[in-house]
Amino acid sequence: AQSVTQLGSHVSVSEGALVLLRCNYSSSVPPYLFWYVQYPNQGLQLLLKYTTGATLVKGINGFEAEFKKSETSFHLTKPSAHMSDAAEYFCAVRYSSASKIIFGSGTRLSIRP
Amino acid sequence: DTEVTQTPKHLVMGMTNKKSLKCEQHMGHRAMYWYKQKAKKPPELMFVYSYEKLSINESVPSRFSPECPNSSLLNLHLHALQPEDSALYLCASSRQGNQPQHFGDGTRLSIL
Repeated sequence: AQSVTQLGSHVSVSEGALVLLRCNYSSSVPPYLFWYVQYPNQGLQLLLKYTTGATLVKGINGFEAEFKKSETSFHLTKPSAHMSDAAEYFCAVRYSSASKIIFGSGTRLSIRP
Repeated sequence: DTEVTQTPKHLVMGMTNKKSLKCEQHMGHRAMYWYKQKAKKPPELMFVYSYEKLSINESVPSRFSPECPNSSLLNLHLHALQPEDSALYLCASSRQGNQPQHFGDGTRLSIL
């Protein structure tokens, strides 16, 4: 079955440290890939997306992600964490233009002062 | 500010009540979605409307009844809900079905 896996339900980093949130998908066909962020009591906000073209995708708030077909991964990174980055992050995939989005289980990012 | 507006933000209702959730977008998007999200879980798709026609129903119980009166509005009618239906209900829209979805801030629903 097609799925998306986020490794680590909770990641904690120090302010100013590198953020790395992991996402792997299961498919031999490259899907459409997304990262969403959800702050408390809010809906989901699109951070970035990959459809075709350049494999390194830059998003909002200094985040970026790299599509690696050989590793079936789409990990999210940010060079320097800020307190305001504390939130829930969801990786999501769509395997065709007509299919629904499949969300990963989410990773809660905490930032230590 | 979110471009998808959901009302009300909070709703408490009894199991015999009838209520409706409302979602509105003015981005010209032709696909609209309802999701249910339980605490510490990802959103679960409930319904998809494409060009104002229901295209996906993820086997949702009939006590949830969606309606799309026009291209900007999406309603979710609720009747005889159960305590386990308490959750955050999120509406989303996209330009077309294969475009990224824009989410509202949700309605937090509590069933007494």
